Amino acid sequence: AQKITQTQPGMFVQEKEAVTLDCTYDTSDPSYGLFWYKQPSSGEMIFLIYQGSYDQQNATEGRYSLNFQKARKSANLVISASQLGDSAMYFCAMRFGGGSQGNLIFGKGTKLSVKP
Amino acid sequence: DTAVSQTPKYLVTQMGNDKSIKCEQNLGHDTMYWYKQDSKKFLKIMFSYNNKELIINETVPNRFSPKSPDKAHLNLHINSLELGDSAVYFCASSLLTEGAAKNIQYFGAGTRLSVL
Repeated sequence: AQKITQTQPGMFVQEKEAVTLDCTYDTSDPSYGLFWYKQPSSGEMIFLIYQGSYDQQNATEGRYSLNFQKARKSANLVISASQLGDSAMYFCAMRFGGGSQGNLIFGKGTKLSVKP
Repeated sequence: DTAVSQTPKYLVTQMGNDKSIKCEQNLGHDTMYWYKQDSKKFLKIMFSYNNKELIINETVPNRFSPKSPDKAHLNLHINSLELGDSAVYFCASSLLTEGAAKNIQYFGAGTRLSVL
């Protein structure tokens, strides 16, 4: 069965430092997509970054990069140069299947706190 | 200019009442979703509609009935509200591309439902 695991319930990072949020997944489907979303205290869900299972290179979006290790089934989010506004819940999610009807399965989230 | 908008943002009601949450997207997407986020922040898919047709219906009590009058709208009606229905409900939308796992879902700001 498909599953997403985020093992860090909470993380602290000093402002301007880099931080890695862990995510592992389990699927036997060869075609899947991995996503990271940010949920600040205001509650909205903000899409950050996407990695496809067939993508050769790790995805990057500004200060966000995804450390995709397919053999280990991990898709860790790296935030460089942390800012106070990065304090939020971060969710890893997976969409499996090459077809067009897969929904997202979410991990339990990691609460990131950036210290000044 | 909100891409995915939900109303109301907050909903406080008594047990046994019937209530609706509305969702509209102006992204030109063809697929819309409802997710439930429980008190532990866990997000789970409830329903998905593609071009007004139901394509995902997870194990949700039949007190919950989604209605999609057109591709841009997906409303959620809940009958006979129970205490356990208290949660944050998120609407999302995406543009399905046949055979692609990408299918980025964009979320509304959420509706916080409190059943007293």
